[in-house]
Amino acid sequence: NAGVMQNPRHLVRRRGQEARLRCSPMKGHSHVYWYRQLPEEGLKFMVYLQKENIIDESGMPKERFSAEFPKEGPSILRIQQVVRGDSAAYFCASSPQGDPQLYMTLFGPGTRLTVL
Amino acid sequence: GDSVTQMEGPVTLSEEAFLTINCTYTATGYPSLFWYVQYPGEGLQLLLKATKADDKGSNKGFEATYRKETTSFHLEKGSVQVSDSAVYFCALSDRMKTSYDKVIFGPGTSLSVIP
Repeated sequence: NAGVMQNPRHLVRRRGQEARLRCSPMKGHSHVYWYRQLPEEGLKFMVYLQKENIIDESGMPKERFSAEFPKEGPSILRIQQVVRGDSAAYFCASSPQGDPQLYMTLFGPGTRLTVL
Repeated sequence: GDSVTQMEGPVTLSEEAFLTINCTYTATGYPSLFWYVQYPGEGLQLLLKATKADDKGSNKGFEATYRKETTSFHLEKGSVQVSDSAVYFCALSDRMKTSYDKVIFGPGTSLSVIP
């Protein structure tokens, strides 16, 4: 069991470029979450997805950010036209479908995005 | 909405000292409570959890008890080691309310343990 995989671990982009962050959930997990950790701030929920569906995107900035979790392949968090304020650590988490009393969410190692 | 408050630190302790990191929460439902740890340059690791009132979570010498009457989940360790130096996050998730794990984190407490 490789756990939740994220790549790249470090990503450097210049202002105006696009950033694509990938998350492969743990085997058997069908739910994916993205969180952002801004410098000097805590971790904030961004979006929750199931296969091919966005269920809750209440934490996503309204512009430039999008997320997907296709039927095949990893979940992608895409940031268009990055700005310096997007520099942060982005964490993916995954969980299985199942008993709401059981907490089985696992976090990945994160992608650290630096915008120059 | 639901929220988590914790002492922000930084906290500096000598090796073998007793550790307490206070955490209180506000929630309208019956959340599960967690402590996560983030070592320098690494991701989040679940340290311990408690899913209902009076549950005690424990792991690696750390303990926390879910106190519904005081809405608290304080983290304790009897004797810290240098390797415990990290940022600790108190968090909650009310899966019964949302049916999924929308985790709400506290601001984090940085702990440094010196030899």
